[in-house]
Amino acid sequence: GENVEQHPSTLSVQEGDSAVIKCTYSDSASNYFPWYKQELGKRPQLIIDIRSNVGEKKDQRIAVTLNKTAKHFSLHITETQPEDSAVYFCAAIRDSWGKLQFGAGTQVVVTP
Amino acid sequence: EAGVAQSPRYKIIEKRQSVAFWCNPISGHATLYWYQQILGQGPKLLIQFQNNGVVDDSQLPKDRFSAERLKGVDSTLKIQPAKLEDSAVYLCASSSDRGATEAFFGQGTRLTVV
Repeated sequence: GENVEQHPSTLSVQEGDSAVIKCTYSDSASNYFPWYKQELGKRPQLIIDIRSNVGEKKDQRIAVTLNKTAKHFSLHITETQPEDSAVYFCAAIRDSWGKLQFGAGTQVVVTP
Repeated sequence: EAGVAQSPRYKIIEKRQSVAFWCNPISGHATLYWYQQILGQGPKLLIQFQNNGVVDDSQLPKDRFSAERLKGVDSTLKIQPAKLEDSAVYLCASSSDRGATEAFFGQGTRLTVV
C-alpha cells in the first residue's frame, strides 16, 4: 500500500518569509496529491491539490510542485502570515483505489 | 451544501465500556472514511466504504472496533471494549467518488477513555 513520509515535523518561520514542506510517496501509480490544513481543534480542510499530469499548481500564496520521477511533492507558502499557523498534512492517492493516507503532519508556526 | 455531520462531539467513558459514533456524509457522496487522530499525529485511516461495501479495513482493530454503513448513507463506528489508548479524535470524511477527489471532514468526536 501507499506510504507517505512528510518533513519537517515542525517549522518556525518569521512573518513574511516562505515555508516549504516536503513529502515522498512509495506507490508510483499514485496520481492525486492533496494538501490539508488543520487548525487547532478544527477539522482538516483541503487547501490545494495537484494531479500527476501537471508539475506545479499555484493558488495565491500557496503552490505545490510534483516530481513524479523522484516521487516527491512539496508545499510552498510565500509571504507567510500568522493565520498560516496550523498543521499541514500531505496525502497521495492512486485513482480508483482512493485510500486516503496522510503524512504525519508539519506544525507550522509563523511568528510576527 | 450541508457538510459532514458527526455526533457526539465529545465522549468520556471508562475503559472496558463500549461507545458508538455516528456520521452522516454529504448527500450523494459514495465514499465514506473513518479516521483515528491521536493528539499530535496525522489521521490514521481505520475503514473506507464505497456505498455500503467495505473497500479497506486493513488498519481497523477488528477485535474491538466495528463499523457499518447500512443503505450506503449514514455510518456508525463502535468500540467494544474501549482501552485507554483509544483516546483520540474520530474523524469521518466523505467524497463524491473513490479516488482523486476532495474529501470533506466532519468536526470529529473527541473520545477520552479513563
